[in-house]
Amino acid sequence: QVQLVQSGGEVKKPGASVKVSCKTSGYTFVNYGISWVRQAPGQGLEWMGWIGGDSRDVGYAEKFYGRVTMTTDTSTSTAYMELRSLTSDDTALYYCARDIHYVRDVWGQGTMVTVPS
Amino acid sequence: IVMTQSPATLSLSPGERATFSCRASQSVDSSQISWYQQKPGQAPRLLIYGASTRATGIPARFSGSGSGTDFTLTISSLQPEDFAVYYCQRDLFGGGTKVEIK
Repeated sequence: QVQLVQSGGEVKKPGASVKVSCKTSGYTFVNYGISWVRQAPGQGLEWMGWIGGDSRDVGYAEKFYGRVTMTTDTSTSTAYMELRSLTSDDTALYYCARDIHYVRDVWGQGTMVTVPS
Repeated sequence: IVMTQSPATLSLSPGERATFSCRASQSVDSSQISWYQQKPGQAPRLLIYGASTRATGIPARFSGSGSGTDFTLTISSLQPEDFAVYYCQRDLFGGGTKVEIK
């Protein structure tokens, strides 16, 4: 079955970077993209961006321009999201989701990133 | 494109009909609109894609409609397990509508 398994929780200092991984299985990785979505405690869902499985196409939400980089490794069917210059406002649960034409049908379990103020 | 959901909260009883509204800031291709359900402590679950197509395993009481800038999710008869938060999305998500027990 299709699975997306994310890396474990992280605690980072303000100004640091974090890189979250999303290892996929059960489908042909390059045929789908991956979206990244975050959710601050008690808040709604926030789309961060999308990358094609082969990395040829990528798009970021305007809010994260210049601060986020999404990549993939087709040899391991893994997607990565790196967020830089962290502040306490980046404390959130970060999700990856399989994405094909705006349909995010399978989600990872989430990775908690905590940035103490 | 900004997605705006209303109302923020719905207070309903089991068996009642629930209607959720989602408005896009400009006209969008309806094939790009999805709806998700999220329960506390869980990842979102895809309910509807392409504005009106139910995802695999989603009960028939869930339906979606709309075009242009206005989209609607309807639950025909609320079941106890349907009390949750519902989001529409193209790229950006709407703010969500919480369905609570009246």
